[in-house]
Amino acid sequence: QSALTQPASVSGSPGQSITISCTGTSSDVGGYRFVSWYQQHPGKAPRLMIYKVSDRPSGVSNRFSGSKSGNTASLTISGLQAEDEADYYCSSYRLTSTLVVFGTGTKLTVL
Amino acid sequence: QVQLVESGGGVVQPWGSLRLSCAASGFTFSSYGMHWVRQAPGKGLEWVALMSYDGMNIYYADSVKGRFTVSRDNYQNTMYLQLSSLRAEDTAVYYCARDPEPRPDYYYYAMDVWGQGTTVTVSS
Repeated sequence: QSALTQPASVSGSPGQSITISCTGTSSDVGGYRFVSWYQQHPGKAPRLMIYKVSDRPSGVSNRFSGSKSGNTASLTISGLQAEDEADYYCSSYRLTSTLVVFGTGTKLTVL
Repeated sequence: QVQLVESGGGVVQPWGSLRLSCAASGFTFSSYGMHWVRQAPGKGLEWVALMSYDGMNIYYADSVKGRFTVSRDNYQNTMYLQLSSLRAEDTAVYYCARDPEPRPDYYYYAMDVWGQGTTVTVSS
């Protein structure tokens, strides 16, 4: 089962905005609103940042936002802060026996 | 507070077996679907399985189907992952996680509460 495609790395300076893309197909990202985003710091468990494309769990900063267009979902982080430096993964429901697929992961560097 | 704690990881030989546990607290465990997710060393996240709130519906990734078995005990607030016929490529940190949708048999296919993970190493 192929993973969703994310850029390997993105970077930005404090205060800037960045966007991470997550490209799939009409059988996953494009066909359903079950797209999620996770933040993972080294040696830690992932943390849910966005679910159902654009919903934020309680406690997640509104600097994090999600959207989707066609087969590509996006995570935007505005007002970059040093603590945002982490790996980010998208995931989606997929219409196959393997119900959930993750993205390849993106390393965010705050310059 | 809402918490998941995994246990049971260790070193096991190829073709061996292991049972992982996931103890839940701080929420109504019996109302939620639960996932297992793993992460091989230096690699990305891989979904393993989803179990419904009552244990009646279980979904597995193709990569583990027929080898891994998920179960849960809602009286003990615990979920289990039985790993069998283990291969080197099953070496990973295994996380249990909660699906945020509290309605029975509905899922967001997301994970809003995660455990700290337990490490499984398959090696001779």
